[in-house]
Amino acid sequence: TQLLEQSPQFLSIQEGENLTVYCNSSSVFSSLQWYRQEPGEGPVLLVTVVTGGEVKKLKRLTFQFGDARKDSSLHITAAQTGDTGLYLCAGFGGSNYKLTFGKGTLLTVNP
Amino acid sequence: GAVVSQHPSRVICKSGTSVKIECRSLDFQATTMFWYRQFPKQSLMLMATSNEGSKATYEQGVEKDKFLINHASLTLSTLTVTSAHPEDSSFYICSARGGGATYNSPLHFGNGTRLTVT
Repeated sequence: TQLLEQSPQFLSIQEGENLTVYCNSSSVFSSLQWYRQEPGEGPVLLVTVVTGGEVKKLKRLTFQFGDARKDSSLHITAAQTGDTGLYLCAGFGGSNYKLTFGKGTLLTVNP
Repeated sequence: GAVVSQHPSRVICKSGTSVKIECRSLDFQATTMFWYRQFPKQSLMLMATSNEGSKATYEQGVEKDKFLINHASLTLSTLTVTSAHPEDSSFYICSARGGGATYNSPLHFGNGTRLTVT
């Protein structure tokens, strides 16, 4: 079973601060995805990283895939209250291309 | 973009009854569908993977006789929670993927079903 450890589990910051969320595994993933989920809704895909060492930017969000494709990070610059939500990393792997989710990081950005 | 519709969005049932949740791909053929369960403020736990026309593959610890999954067509998969009990109360989410899947293929998620068993 491929496991993804996500940290921190909870994060409460002030608007304007920067933050980083980490996603680590002992397994190699073919690709890794980051999602954001709001209460009562399904997850929404933010990005997919495929190549080891890859860095992708989505406005104030920067995603990095580790060289060994075992870990990833999400960095948010100048957080806004609208960034509040549950951030999930998920890795693709296995014969059925299953998506395995990390435990999630519940981010609260206070005004 | 691809749309997955999940129904109902909320359901309340009495203990001992069965509840069926539907997951439909509206504008693509979903060869594979995944069912997840999510507790409040926690991550998604994969329950089972279903491929159209074949039996679902359940994750370890998930009772296949309690959570019946049917994927009879390329646009519809159903999850039936049989003889529901209060501990089955949770948020159930489906996701779907089209054919020709690779490790980069996107999954399309439904908006989830909030099940409350009283």
